[in-house]
Amino acid sequence: DIVMTQTPLSLSVTPGQPASISCKSSQSLLHSDGKTYLYWYLQKPGQSPQLLIYEVSSRFSGVPDRFSGSGSGTDFTLKISRVEAEDVGVYYCMQGIHLPPGTFGQGTRLEIK
Amino acid sequence: QVQLQESGPGLVKPSQTLSLTCTVSGGSISSGGYYWSWIRQHPGKGLEWIGYIYYSGSTYYNPSLKSRVTISVDTSKNQFSLKLSSVTAADTAVYYCARGSGSPNYYDYWGQGTLVTVSS
Repeated sequence: DIVMTQTPLSLSVTPGQPASISCKSSQSLLHSDGKTYLYWYLQKPGQSPQLLIYEVSSRFSGVPDRFSGSGSGTDFTLKISRVEAEDVGVYYCMQGIHLPPGTFGQGTRLEIK
Repeated sequence: QVQLQESGPGLVKPSQTLSLTCTVSGGSISSGGYYWSWIRQHPGKGLEWIGYIYYSGSTYYNPSLKSRVTISVDTSKNQFSLKLSSVTAADTAVYYCARGSGSPNYYDYWGQGTLVTVSS
């Protein structure tokens, strides 16, 4: 089974400052079709997870452009260029190459200083 | 925009069957192309995929729960349902329904979630 490992598990950021979360998978997420099936979700307090990034770097509908994803193979990063108060919550990466999808990272809790 | 809403009892007794329904609006289950899924989150913990159903009725379950899970679909009501039998306290969790996209490769729309507590 694929294991998704996120670091750090928590971070505290001053509004307006950048933030970065790493996600490493135990196996490559590059499919033979050329796509890399890595996704990022944000779970705001008391809410369900919401999709931020699909296939490594594409922003989902309505996601602000301060969120960006990068990486390849087994190493991925989510970056927030300027953290805002509404970005508080737990961020999860998820692999989608081994079906069905459902292997999430442990989550990274973002709080505002 | 697609919206999903879970409904069902918030309290279930041990050994009984947990039953939840997800009502989909803004899109038709019978149009195909998506996998209608259940995911749960134990209090303060991460996310666990339970299973999904395609509009045709094809299902796929998490092997760790397979013996106790049944997911069904009612396209006439645009709903799909979860039954989890022989529940214990370990099944206490927030249960989410979600739409699976791709093969499925990911979940793009989620319900708000419903807390189910297993207790006598």
